[in-house]
Amino acid sequence: GENVEQHPSTLSVQEGDSAVIKCTYSDSASNYFPWYKQELGKRPQLIIDIRSNVGEKKDQRIAVTLNKTAKHFSLHITETQPEDSAVYFCAAKDTGFQKLVFGTGTRLLVSP
Amino acid sequence: ETGVTQTPRHLVMGMTNKKSLKCEQHLGHNAMYWYKQSAKKPLELMFVYNFKEQTENNSVPSRFSPECPNSSHLFLHLHTLQPEDSALYLCASSQGGTYNEQFFGPGTRLTVL
Repeated sequence: GENVEQHPSTLSVQEGDSAVIKCTYSDSASNYFPWYKQELGKRPQLIIDIRSNVGEKKDQRIAVTLNKTAKHFSLHITETQPEDSAVYFCAAKDTGFQKLVFGTGTRLLVSP
Repeated sequence: ETGVTQTPRHLVMGMTNKKSLKCEQHLGHNAMYWYKQSAKKPLELMFVYNFKEQTENNSVPSRFSPECPNSSHLFLHLHTLQPEDSALYLCASSQGGTYNEQFFGPGTRLTVL
């Protein structure tokens, strides 16, 4: 089955800096890669996703890149703000039915 | 209430108790999920139901028993739990298909004494 690794586990940046979180996956057949943000005490919420037929996707200050050959994908946040502080989870869609395999999460702290 | 709701939000139980967690989705989705979230394994899939049928049981101990009476409701029956089962239990739902977002409920914070 699919296995997802995520790095780093914690990331501290200054407001205005960029942040990058990286994930690798094991199943070359995986075709969908969402990113979820979980603020303290809140539920995880989707912030961006990418399909395997696309190499990059942007939405305002966030972007995701996918390298299918290397089986890794990354989340990029530019001009970070304190409200970006949260735990971010990457995931890969297992080739089995409806199953998302999540990474272990990255705790991002943006200091003013 | 809209989206995915879970009750209770907090639960404290002894190891010999029997309790149930409830999840309801108001999104018209046909797939529902139970996840366990703890410090050791941040988002661990437990069960998947599609059109009321269980399609995934991720090697979960039998002291956790899921029930899905219809596509809108999902239960997790708990009995003879262990302290290490203390965690946040999240329910999620999604529409069918490969690329559909999973919507999470607020979770039930479970403490087993």
